[in-house]
Amino acid sequence: DVKVTQSSRYLVKRTGEKVFLECVQDMDHENMFWYRQDPGLGLRLIYFSYDVKMKEKGDIPEGYSVSREKKERFSLILESASTNQTSMYLCASSLRGGSEAFFGQGTRLTVV
Amino acid sequence: AQKITQTQPGMFVQEKEAVTLDCTYDTSDQSYGLFWYKQPSSGEMIFLIYQGSYDEQNATEGRYSLNFQKARKSANLVISASQLGDSAMYFCAMSRPWAGNNRKLIWGLGTSLAVNP
Repeated sequence: DVKVTQSSRYLVKRTGEKVFLECVQDMDHENMFWYRQDPGLGLRLIYFSYDVKMKEKGDIPEGYSVSREKKERFSLILESASTNQTSMYLCASSLRGGSEAFFGQGTRLTVV
Repeated sequence: AQKITQTQPGMFVQEKEAVTLDCTYDTSDQSYGLFWYKQPSSGEMIFLIYQGSYDEQNATEGRYSLNFQKARKSANLVISASQLGDSAMYFCAMSRPWAGNNRKLIWGLGTSLAVNP
């Protein structure tokens, strides 16, 4: 079974902190994604990576950056956390474009 | 505009009965895929079923089937013999071409399903 693992289930950070959310997949998938999920807004794509060191901005990249130095690992970075980044963050991977995505368990981030 | 619409914010079903969750989509693409995901209260998004735009047969996976009506642009999820563990949020999503050879998922806002004993 595909396994996508996010480093934390719950995280509380202070405004202005630099925050790292880590995601690891074990199925050699090409594509990895970071989404945020907010009530009433659904899932919104933050960043997408289709290969090591390759990335594309999603719908809401402002305030975020990403890093993919190894195929299995995709990190989301909040450069300076703000309260409006309090959300559920979901990492996903897929074998190729158009195939089903497999998700991690999610990280519920609270910025205070 | 590419869009997924799930018109039922919440649904109730009696255990062991069948339930249909609605999904309509809007696209001008010829090639696209339709997905359904389940999100229990634990938060993890679980893939349920996939239908390609060129597939002529409706997709089925165990108790899940996808009622694909291409002309009406609908892709409804049918869950047969509901179980208490089916209580969750259900999301419909559509893949479309994006960023070269890649594809992007467009998501609906979800339907909350509650299965009553």
